[in-house]
Amino acid sequence: GENVEQHPSTLSVQEGDSAVIKCTYSDSASNYFPWYKQELGKGPQLIIDIRSNVGEKKDQRIAVTLNKTAKHFSLHITETQPEDSAVYFCAGHNFNKFYFGSGTKLNVKP
Amino acid sequence: NAGVTQTPKFQVLKTGQSMTLQCAQDMNHNSMYWYRQDPGMGLRLIYYSASEGTTDKGEVPNGYNVSRLNKREFSLRLESAAPSQTSVYFCASSETLGGLGEKLFFGSGTQLSVL
Repeated sequence: GENVEQHPSTLSVQEGDSAVIKCTYSDSASNYFPWYKQELGKGPQLIIDIRSNVGEKKDQRIAVTLNKTAKHFSLHITETQPEDSAVYFCAGHNFNKFYFGSGTKLNVKP
Repeated sequence: NAGVTQTPKFQVLKTGQSMTLQCAQDMNHNSMYWYRQDPGMGLRLIYYSASEGTTDKGEVPNGYNVSRLNKREFSLRLESAAPSQTSVYFCASSETLGGLGEKLFFGSGTQLSVL
């Protein structure tokens, strides 16, 4: 099956700085890569996704990039705010299943 | 707008006890899932149900059983709880199984401790 690795496991930034979280995947058949945000005491919620035929997607302060050749994709958050503090999960999707990374705890310091 | 509702939110069991985690969704989704979340390991799929009347094993099914009671409800049962099943459990649903761009909607989780 697919193996998705995520780095770093924790990330601390100052409010207003940018944050980058990186994921790699092993199976070239994976064709869809969502990112989920999990706030304390809640379930994960989809924040952005990218399909394998697209190299970059942006939604306000959040962007995701995909390099199919290298099999890695990244989440970029610009102008971070305290409400961005949460755990972020990347995932790869193939053969009807999602494979999640281990998560990144982002702490945005005011 | 409830979305995916899980009960209970917290549970403490003794080794060998049994219990059922309940999940219901009100979005008319066809597919439902049970995940467990352990520190440093992300979300791992336990069982899933592509549609009403079908269930299949995920990555870590041992020690669990599931029932897709109807289109709305999908329960997870631990027949004889073990300390290794201490985890946070999430139920999720999606409109269909496996479609490109399929979005998962998660419940708020059940924190289970097995002593």
